[in-house]
Amino acid sequence: GQQVMQIPQYQHVQEGEDFTTYCNSSTTLSNIQWYKQRPGGHPVFLIQLVKSGEVKKQKRLTFQFGEAKKNSSLHITATQTTDVGTYFCAVITGGGNKLTFGTGTQLKVEL
Amino acid sequence: KAGVTQTPRYLIKTRGQQVTLSCSPISGHRSVSWYQQTPGQGLQFLFEYFSETQRNKGNFPGRFSGRQFSNSRSEMNVSTLELGDSALYLCASSGGWGTGELFFGEGSRLTVL
Repeated sequence: GQQVMQIPQYQHVQEGEDFTTYCNSSTTLSNIQWYKQRPGGHPVFLIQLVKSGEVKKQKRLTFQFGEAKKNSSLHITATQTTDVGTYFCAVITGGGNKLTFGTGTQLKVEL
Repeated sequence: KAGVTQTPRYLIKTRGQQVTLSCSPISGHRSVSWYQQTPGQGLQFLFEYFSETQRNKGNFPGRFSGRQFSNSRSEMNVSTLELGDSALYLCASSGGWGTGELFFGEGSRLTVL
């Protein structure tokens, strides 16, 4: 079945540093979504990308979909303690709303 | 607009028992999906219901089952519980079929002893 590899698994940064997480697939993706899960919380939808080379920004967050639609990245500029959590990429597979999630990147931000 | 509501939030069962979890989607949402989250396996898709019909199923044994009612509320059942079933069970609703964005509930944390 569809698999998406996500790296890194963990990232510790100092507040104010940048952070990037990557998702890679061996096959072409029709779309990719990003979710954030705070410690003890539930996944919260951030964005969906569908177009080749698409770049979307949400304040300090920048999302990219690769030209070949096989990879995606989430970049956070000048991290804050509120950015702490695990970031997941996910792709719709098998029709409907069935999502295959990446393994997630756990971000910790130190003051 | 109320979010996705899951009950119970926490529960403890013993091996061999069964459990039923409930999910009320966002009003107007007809798609309800269930996911299992564990530290070792991450987030894994269980099944999706749309208009009372199971439309997608993940790779879980038959002990895991679900259903959706006419008001879109959904339940999932796990029979003959095993220690490995300990997990956070997340329900997610969506406004349509294949629309993408999922709204997750806070989850039901199941511990099997």
